[in-house]
Parts: sequence; structure tokens; C-alpha cells
Amino acid sequence: RKEVEQDPGPFNVPEGATVAFNCTYSNSASQSFFWYRQDCRKEPKLLMSVYSSGNEDGRFTAQLNRASQYISLLIRDSKLSDSATYLCVVNTTSGTYKYIFGTGTRLKVLA
Amino acid sequence: GAVVSQHPSRVICKSGTSVKIECRSLDFQATTMFWYRQFPKKSLMLMATSNEGSKATYEQGVEKDKFLINHASLTLSTLTVTSAHPEDSSFYICSARDLGTSGSDEQFFGPGTRLTVL
Repeated sequence: RKEVEQDPGPFNVPEGATVAFNCTYSNSASQSFFWYRQDCRKEPKLLMSVYSSGNEDGRFTAQLNRASQYISLLIRDSKLSDSATYLCVVNTTSGTYKYIFGTGTRLKVLA
Repeated sequence: GAVVSQHPSRVICKSGTSVKIECRSLDFQATTMFWYRQFPKKSLMLMATSNEGSKATYEQGVEKDKFLINHASLTLSTLTVTSAHPEDSSFYICSARDLGTSGSDEQFFGPGTRLTVL
């Protein structure tokens, strides 16, 4: 089983739609969680950290469920510019600090 | 946010040659930097953790004699792909952690280096 799993998609949605991505992780000792966005042939850029209480940044909402080892990202009112790959990232500090990346979920927002 | 640069952004080389990639933290000091590799349509895979002043920690399956890492200063880490082969062609990305940002676990990524080995 992969340490961080995501549905690779692609998710093709019309502009204005609401779309949700899910991610599961296997290491219960994981301590920090992030959603990154990666555009084609570019480096990942931090979209938002994910906190236990859930957090929102504009049209983006992230949720964490430690009991189920599950992270989600909700995008409301999708824009064409939201088209990208969304990477779920888990930081595990048991042993050594390191990021574990999910395979990413591709989103394409259609006009 | 903190800025990380990489050089070169793109390199094409012949099989058997060595290629050096530089990763610099421009406005902060990074005792730890990370090197990742990404194949097309795949996610980032951590290759090694680069520690300033000491040996790098390599992930399982990554050949340390092929991918030489040097972290000689608090702002510079280098990755040298030795005797490159076509299967080494990939997108190499470095990142750094800004320990000056209190309590932050965030890594800042360089823009990546696209290596093509002919």
C-alpha cells in the first residue's frame, strides 16, 4: 500500500462547479499535512496547510480526519486557472523529517 | 515566502557525462535541503536529504555513488548525476526548509531542472 494515496483523475469539471479531492495516508504518526498545486513542467507550490480543525482560504477548504487518516480539499466556484495537478503531502517525522507526496489528482476546468 | 533557485533550468547531455545541478536558498539559511525526481505524469519521489556539513541521507533504491550530493554551505546544495544514462532523464527538483520560520514545516521548492540524456 502506498504511503499517500490519491485518485489520479482526471477530474473534468465546468467553470463554477464545486469539486472535492480526497487523500488517505498510512502512517498514523504523520504530523503535518499540506495541499500543493503543480502546473505542467513547474515546481509544486503550496496551496494550503491542513489543520486538525479544518481551514478555509477563499474558495478552498481543507479538512483533516486523523481517525480515518484522510485529508480532503474542496474547491468552490472553479476557475479555468484552477486547472492543475493537486498534490497531497504528508510530513512524517518518525525517524527523519521528510515529505511524502501523493501521486496527485489532475483537475481540468472547462469553459 | 522564501526563495529557492536552481541552476541550470534545463540541460541536455550525452550518455556517460556527468551533470551538476545547483540548489540555492536565496534569502534564508537551510541546514537541510531535499532532492526529488519526477518522471512524466508521476509524483515527486524523494531521492535524498542533504545535510549541511555532513553526508546526505539517501532513500532506499537511490545509488549514492551515482547521485552525488554536496551541501557545503548553508545556502547551497549540489546534485551531480554521474555517468548519466537516458533512463536518468527526468525533472529534478530541490527544496529547502526555512528553520528561521518559527514552527513551520513548509518546504520551499526550486523551479526544477529538466535533464535529458541522449
